[in-house]
Amino acid sequence: NAGVTQTPKFRILKIGQSMTLQCAQDMNHNYMYWYRQDPGMGLKLIYYSVGAGITDKGEVPNGYNVSRSTTEDFPLRLELAAPSQTSVYFCASRENTGELFFGEGSRLTVL
Amino acid sequence: GIQVEQSPPDLILQEGANSTLRCNFSDSVNNLQWFHQNPWGQLINLFYIPSGTKQNGRLSATTVATERYSLLYISSSQTTDSGVYFCAVSDQGGSEKLVFGKGTKLTVNP
Repeated sequence: NAGVTQTPKFRILKIGQSMTLQCAQDMNHNYMYWYRQDPGMGLKLIYYSVGAGITDKGEVPNGYNVSRSTTEDFPLRLELAAPSQTSVYFCASRENTGELFFGEGSRLTVL
Repeated sequence: GIQVEQSPPDLILQEGANSTLRCNFSDSVNNLQWFHQNPWGQLINLFYIPSGTKQNGRLSATTVATERYSLLYISSSQTTDSGVYFCAVSDQGGSEKLVFGKGTKLTVNP
């Protein structure tokens, strides 16, 4: 049981480049989330999804897009990378009610 | 939206000491969790506790939903307890958003 798997673990982007952070879970959870954590700070919600085909904005959605075509996958897309998007990104999932499980994080640097 | 405040922001202990971390929230909740972020950045579930009391080894947690706070107790602290402890909640208004507090940074010295 792999839980929540994020790829890549590390990535360096140039300003203006695009990329997708991948997130997959094998627990058949309906709810999935993307958070970002800036150095020394708490976690801010970017986007979340309550099931396949349904997504909604969190606290800091600007500059990001998501899709949820399957229950298992919830990719996060950065279209025009900016230095302000340098952060650690965490994907998480949970059942309808219950514990939130996190992936190991993806560290992104935009130069 | 719901507000979450954690205290203290920083805590330094000697190994073997006990501590209490607090999480206050501004509205009724249907989900409250405590997490430990270790020095390597991993987020580890400690408790799912929207109400009541739970214990797991040296750690225990209590949530008093009617008074809108939760407490995390760490007894006989060890250096491996160091890291940041986060409280996360979602309100009862139908929102599925889990909102995090800013965390308590715990340092346990040998």
